[in-house]
Amino acid sequence: GDSVTQTEGLVTLTEGLPVMLNCTYQTIYSNPFLFWYVQHLNESPRLLLKSFTDNKRTEHQGFHATLHKSSSSFHLQKSSAQLSDSALYYCALSDRTQVVGQLTFGRGTRLQVYA
Amino acid sequence: EAAVTQSPRSKVAVTGGKVTLSCHQTNNHDYMYWYRQDTGHGLRLIHYSYVADSTEKGDIPDGYKASRPSQENFSLILELASLSQTAVYFCASSSGTGGTNTEVFFGKGTRLTVV
Repeated sequence: GDSVTQTEGLVTLTEGLPVMLNCTYQTIYSNPFLFWYVQHLNESPRLLLKSFTDNKRTEHQGFHATLHKSSSSFHLQKSSAQLSDSALYYCALSDRTQVVGQLTFGRGTRLQVYA
Repeated sequence: EAAVTQSPRSKVAVTGGKVTLSCHQTNNHDYMYWYRQDTGHGLRLIHYSYVADSTEKGDIPDGYKASRPSQENFSLILELASLSQTAVYFCASSSGTGGTNTEVFFGKGTRLTVV
């Protein structure tokens, strides 16, 4: 079945430094949909980014990611971390275009930004 | 914005007891989902439904039942609660269309503790 790997469980950064959270995936489906969800403390997960197109950069709220099918990757990046970016970030995969919420999530990466 | 409401927000249940978690959405979405969240495992799909009076198994359905009596309501039922079912449960909804309109809206979660 599908799988999503997020290698870092915890990333700690000083405010102003760049952010990179890793995400790789495995699926037999040739056209996967990749997502980043963010969950702030005591809140529900919400969609941050999504991509369906190979080698096309997608951006939202200062974050960006590019789906690379050649390396099965969808890393999340931001040029300068802010204190408010501290949250749990999930990479997720869908290979079922009709059941959009049937997602396979990674284990999540907690980002902690310090002043 | 889409609204998914879960009740109760937290619950303590006794091992072997029956637990029902409820979810109500006002988005007019066809699809509803139940996910569980565990540290180190991320979010995993338990059951989903795309129409009233019908439910489908997700990735980890064992020990859970689901009920969709109407488009707006979706319940998760633990007939015999076990310690291993201690987790945070999220209900979610999405439209039935795939492709670029893909977005899943999550509720605020129910923290279930089985003792």
